[in-house]
Amino acid sequence: KAGVTQTPRYLIKTRGQQVTLSCSPISGHRSVSWYQQTPGQGLQFLFEYFSETQRNKGNFPGRFSGRQFSNSRSEMNVSTLELGDSALYLCASLGDNRYNEQFFGPGTRLTVL
Amino acid sequence: AQSVTQLGSHVSVSEGALVLLRCNYSSSVPPYLFWYVQYPNQGLQLLLKYTSAATLVKGINGFEAEFKKSETSFHLTKPSAHMSDAAEYFCAGGSNYKLTFGKGTLLTVNP
Repeated sequence: KAGVTQTPRYLIKTRGQQVTLSCSPISGHRSVSWYQQTPGQGLQFLFEYFSETQRNKGNFPGRFSGRQFSNSRSEMNVSTLELGDSALYLCASLGDNRYNEQFFGPGTRLTVL
Repeated sequence: AQSVTQLGSHVSVSEGALVLLRCNYSSSVPPYLFWYVQYPNQGLQLLLKYTSAATLVKGINGFEAEFKKSETSFHLTKPSAHMSDAAEYFCAGGSNYKLTFGKGTLLTVNP
């Protein structure tokens, strides 16, 4: 089985721009979660999508949004970028088992200048 | 609030020495616990998970962890460190679809 893929791997944007990141989960996985990783705050949960619906949300401003398509692929959007949005954005897909084993992609490194 | 605490942001050991990375969780964290490893410029790889089946959990690459409810701990150990173990390690507790991570412990292995 192919793993979780994220595109692009690296992005450079300037303040005020918006960005869209993509995540393709493992085939058959219907849940996709997004995390932000920064040196200061560590790994923080952004949101989780299941069957095209946002099911859980972390404590991030409304500038962070996402969606999921019928094929379970997910996108994350950040509008009006700020310098503090520079981070590694990880997505994880979850299989239908009760033990919450998430499989992570390699991440997208976003740099905001 | 749920919390996972990793004691020691940086641990340094000699090759062949015991590795011990500490993790404590708050009692509000559901009893699904995980250790992940992250190599530079990569995502997270699952080392092992606790799902209440057994308190001593064996994972990949010779790592294991013991769940101790009385101490709310889930420490990660490896009897003999290898150079390839140098990486950052994250302890996490999970509710459905959402993981709460510790701050991470950077493991350095000295020759």
